[in-house]
Amino acid sequence: AQKVTQAQTEISVVEKEDVTLDCVYETRDTTYYLFWYKQPPSGELVFLIRRNSFDEQNEISGRYSWNFQKSTSSFNFTITASQVVDSAVYFCALSEVYQGGSEKLVFGKGTKLTVNP
Amino acid sequence: DAGVIQSPRHEVTEMGQEVTLRCKPISGHDYLFWYRQTMMRGLELLIYFNNNVPIDDSGMPEDRFSAKMPNASFSTLKIQPSEPRDSAVYFCASSQGQSGANVLTFGAGSRLTVL
Repeated sequence: AQKVTQAQTEISVVEKEDVTLDCVYETRDTTYYLFWYKQPPSGELVFLIRRNSFDEQNEISGRYSWNFQKSTSSFNFTITASQVVDSAVYFCALSEVYQGGSEKLVFGKGTKLTVNP
Repeated sequence: DAGVIQSPRHEVTEMGQEVTLRCKPISGHDYLFWYRQTMMRGLELLIYFNNNVPIDDSGMPEDRFSAKMPNASFSTLKIQPSEPRDSAVYFCASSQGQSGANVLTFGAGSRLTVL
């Protein structure tokens, strides 16, 4: 069964520090998608990124970057020069793709990031 | 587009009462998902629909929970009778597109407290 582990429950940093959020996943399939969502204090879940299992290129979007390594089943998320507005709970999620299968998107337990001024 | 709209945003009720949560997905989206978020269990998928048809309800906790999608623009999640352990934030999400690659757009959630 698919599983997502975010070992860091809470992280606290000071503004301008870099921070990496870890995500390790388990799946039997060769075709799957990985996601990161952000849940700010207001509560809604906001999509950040999607990667498919065949694309291991790292991605950078402004201060955000993602490192996907199939060899270690990890999809880590780094925020460079963190800001107070980055304070949120971040979720890693996995979706398997198989013929006639379910569309289940399985979430990790989340990492609560607090960025202090 | 106004996004995924959920109501009510907050509901406080007493044990044994019926609770109905509502969701309007984004127009044109053909998938609709109901998730529940608690501190203990995190985000759990309860049920999802494709083109208004329930596809997987294996996450629905028990018979007290039911979900319907009478048309493409409306879905309900009903709990009858409610229990204190049902207290959680319930999210509705919708998406469009290919299997497994769906990017879900979430509503703001409905926070349910059962006393």
